[in-house]
Amino acid sequence: GDSVTQMEGPVTLSEEAFLTINCTYTATGYPSLFWYVQYPGEGLQLLLKATKADDKGSNKGFEATYRKETTSFHLEKGSVQVSDSAVYFCALSDQGGKLIFGQGTELSVKP
Amino acid sequence: DADVTQTPRNRITKTGKRIMLECSQTKGHDRMYWYRQDPGLGLRLIYYSFDVKDINKGEISDGYSVSRQAQAKFSLSLESAIPNQTALYFCATRQADTQYFGPGTRLTVL
Repeated sequence: GDSVTQMEGPVTLSEEAFLTINCTYTATGYPSLFWYVQYPGEGLQLLLKATKADDKGSNKGFEATYRKETTSFHLEKGSVQVSDSAVYFCALSDQGGKLIFGQGTELSVKP
Repeated sequence: DADVTQTPRNRITKTGKRIMLECSQTKGHDRMYWYRQDPGLGLRLIYYSFDVKDINKGEISDGYSVSRQAQAKFSLSLESAIPNQTALYFCATRQADTQYFGPGTRLTVL
């Protein structure tokens, strides 16, 4: 079945460091891909998405490119802030429209 | 006001008790979902509903039941709670390919 694999956390960075969170997927067909973010004590919020190969999703300085050849959707940000501390989830939308989530990656940014 | 609300936000109960978690939405979306979140496992789908008359089991429905009382309300029940149902539970709605999550209910079963 469809699945999503993310790099394990926690990831600890200093403010203004470069962030990469790896995400790879296995799917039938060509799913839409998503990054959701969960701030402490809150539900998940959509951060960005891409619906077809080579699309780049972007929001709040975060970017991810849908790479069909490597079945990847890595999340990047050039300069993280303390306020980016959260848990990040990669997900795909399967053929029935249901979301399949990765296990989540906790990011902690220190001043 | 939040578009997707969940009650209660926290609940502690005992093994064998029946418990209901409630979800309401003001977004007007037909599709609603219940997930549980466990550390290191991400979110797993329990049940989902495409409309009031269409309810479907998800990946981990055993031990749970749901009720779609109206377009805006989707409740999750644990008929006889057990300790391994201790988790964070999320309700979500969906429009197009985007899901909108509630704030979650933290359930502890002793």
